[in-house]
Amino acid sequence: DAKTTQPTSMDCAEGRAANLPCNHSTISGNEYVYWYRQIHSQGPQYIIHGLKNNETNEMASLIITEDRKSSTLILPHATLRDTAVYYCIVRVRAAAGNKLTFGGGTRVLVKP
Amino acid sequence: GAGVSQSPRYKVAKRGQDVALRCDPISGHVSLFWYQQALGQGPEFLTYFQNEAQLDKSGLPSDRFFAERPEGSVSTLKIQRTQQEDSAVYLCASSLEQGRDYGYTFGSGTRLTVV
Repeated sequence: DAKTTQPTSMDCAEGRAANLPCNHSTISGNEYVYWYRQIHSQGPQYIIHGLKNNETNEMASLIITEDRKSSTLILPHATLRDTAVYYCIVRVRAAAGNKLTFGGGTRVLVKP
Repeated sequence: GAGVSQSPRYKVAKRGQDVALRCDPISGHVSLFWYQQALGQGPEFLTYFQNEAQLDKSGLPSDRFFAERPEGSVSTLKIQRTQQEDSAVYLCASSLEQGRDYGYTFGSGTRLTVV
């Protein structure tokens, strides 16, 4: 699976949009971009995934550049409960045994 | 239940003791994964089951680690002769095998401390 690069940490203000970048310059054509987050003392939680089109769900939006070498996760209105470690992962689509390979993630602190 | 359940939530073991960690996946989920997460690190893959078959155990760090899922539902991760470096959070995740990719559902983990 392709390797990803994320900032170690970032702060954002409550109520504002949080934009989390991820670089995946070696992504292959059949690899998807997945985002998970891990709130303190909990297991990772699935947020969103995409291949090349922008995606939106009730939690977040995912913007993937045209060359697919980078992406941004957008939390439109950050709340204190969004404080967590956010992991960007690239891999082939879910199929038998396709495990997730986590990096260090971005530690996001939402401040009042 | 609605989610993945893991027990115990916390476990303290003396060095050399054997431990068993339990995972109850979401009912009907075919795939089950175990991960190990050291303090301040991302989760690292240990092993994967499809139903009762253990198809990938490449992440198990030593032969002291053993996992089973005999009836294709509940899984147990066993660690023999625990060492201090085994101290970590052990996470279990399950997923549907087919259909839309909803992602994996993780439990809250078992925090193992070896003293």
